[in-house]
Amino acid sequence: AQSVAQPEDQVNVAEGNPLTVKCTYSVSGNPYLFWYVQYPNRGLQFLLKYITGDNLVKGSYGFEAEFNKSQTSFHLKKPSALVSDSALYFCAVRDYRDSSYKLIFGSGTRLLVRP
Amino acid sequence: GAGVSQTPSNKVTEKGKYVELRCDPISGHTALYWYRQSLGQGPEFLIYFQGTGAADDSGLPNDRFFAVRPEGSVSTLKIQRTERGDSAVYLCASSLTASTGGTLNTEAFFGQGTRLTVV
Repeated sequence: AQSVAQPEDQVNVAEGNPLTVKCTYSVSGNPYLFWYVQYPNRGLQFLLKYITGDNLVKGSYGFEAEFNKSQTSFHLKKPSALVSDSALYFCAVRDYRDSSYKLIFGSGTRLLVRP
Repeated sequence: GAGVSQTPSNKVTEKGKYVELRCDPISGHTALYWYRQSLGQGPEFLIYFQGTGAADDSGLPNDRFFAVRPEGSVSTLKIQRTERGDSAVYLCASSLTASTGGTLNTEAFFGQGTRLTVV
């Protein structure tokens, strides 16, 4: 069965410092991996995805994520956090062999960037 | 429209009543998904449409839940005999196509959701 774990309910970081939001996954085959962000009273917004190729993927708003197959991880990173990055972040996975194309989401990590 | 539109944005209903939630996907998107997000949780898959047909409804929790997409565009999620445990935010998403050439190369775009409260 596919699953995603986001071990931290909340991550606190000071503005200007680097941030990392952790994600590990479990799938039977090769994974497709995604990060979404959710601001208050707004829908999920796509940040970035890993399908194949370079393990370091770059996305919107200066975010990037590194796919690590041996550690089954896909941590979200940003070199310098902004207060406006404060939001709820979701990691999601899809097994490429799953014909339904559905995403399995983690429980989310709240990022709080203090001024 | 510019994005995925869901109506109503909020719905309060009494236990036992019937509700319909509507999703208007991005024009031209053939794939449509419904998810349910409970408080403090990530979205959980309910059902996936490719065109007019429900290609995967394995996430529907029981037979009180049903969804249609008769013309391959707008979809309606229907819940009969609502229970307090059905209270959640129901999210709809669409994408151009679920797969091209065997790989998933388009991401899903989500609507703002319908917050359903069963009292």
